[in-house]
Amino acid sequence: EAGVAQSPRYKIIEKRQSVAFWCNPISGHATLYWYQQILGQGPKLLIQFQNNGVVDDSQLPKDRFSAERLKGVDSTLKIQPAKLEDSAVYLCASSFWTSGTLSYNEQFFGPGTRLTVL
Amino acid sequence: GIQVEQSPPDLILQEGANSTLRCNFSDSVNNLQWFHQNPWGQLINLFYIPSGTKQNGRLSATTVATERYSLLYISSSQTTDSGVYFCAVKRTGRRALTFGSGTRLQVQP
Repeated sequence: EAGVAQSPRYKIIEKRQSVAFWCNPISGHATLYWYQQILGQGPKLLIQFQNNGVVDDSQLPKDRFSAERLKGVDSTLKIQPAKLEDSAVYLCASSFWTSGTLSYNEQFFGPGTRLTVL
Repeated sequence: GIQVEQSPPDLILQEGANSTLRCNFSDSVNNLQWFHQNPWGQLINLFYIPSGTKQNGRLSATTVATERYSLLYISSSQTTDSGVYFCAVKRTGRRALTFGSGTRLQVQP
């Protein structure tokens, strides 16, 4: 079974430029997450989708970050305009379902996109 | 929000040694996962263990949910075990994982 796919793997941009990241979750997984991991820290949630609806975007800096999952499968995360502090690894994860105590909560992560803002 | 504390923050072992990593959390959880982040940044699932004990080869994990901690055991460590080990939890009624700050493990030959 294929894992979570992400592209690009690396991106270097100047501050104030725009950038977009793409994620394709594991087939059949209804829930998709975007996390930001700053060097030396654990990943932190940016946004969570259930199918094509947003269920949690409370930690997303909405003045510059946006995300969509139009057909309930793959997703795009965009930053416009980028700041120096956006330099981080952006991780996409998916899970089959998230509900109560079901074991379908287990999350699987993609390889990440390493963003450097100069 | 929920607090997740991992210890020790750094660990250096000789190949063949055993180790125990600890994860304490501050609230009830219905999901706890252990990950290994390899030097290329990939998060690899080790265990999904909201309670109980599991074993997979040289690795095993135990979560005591009532006492709000989990332990990851690594036996006969190998250089390929090097990297950062993360514990992540999800509170009952919440939606996403909260990660600890990780334990950085270096296994020397």
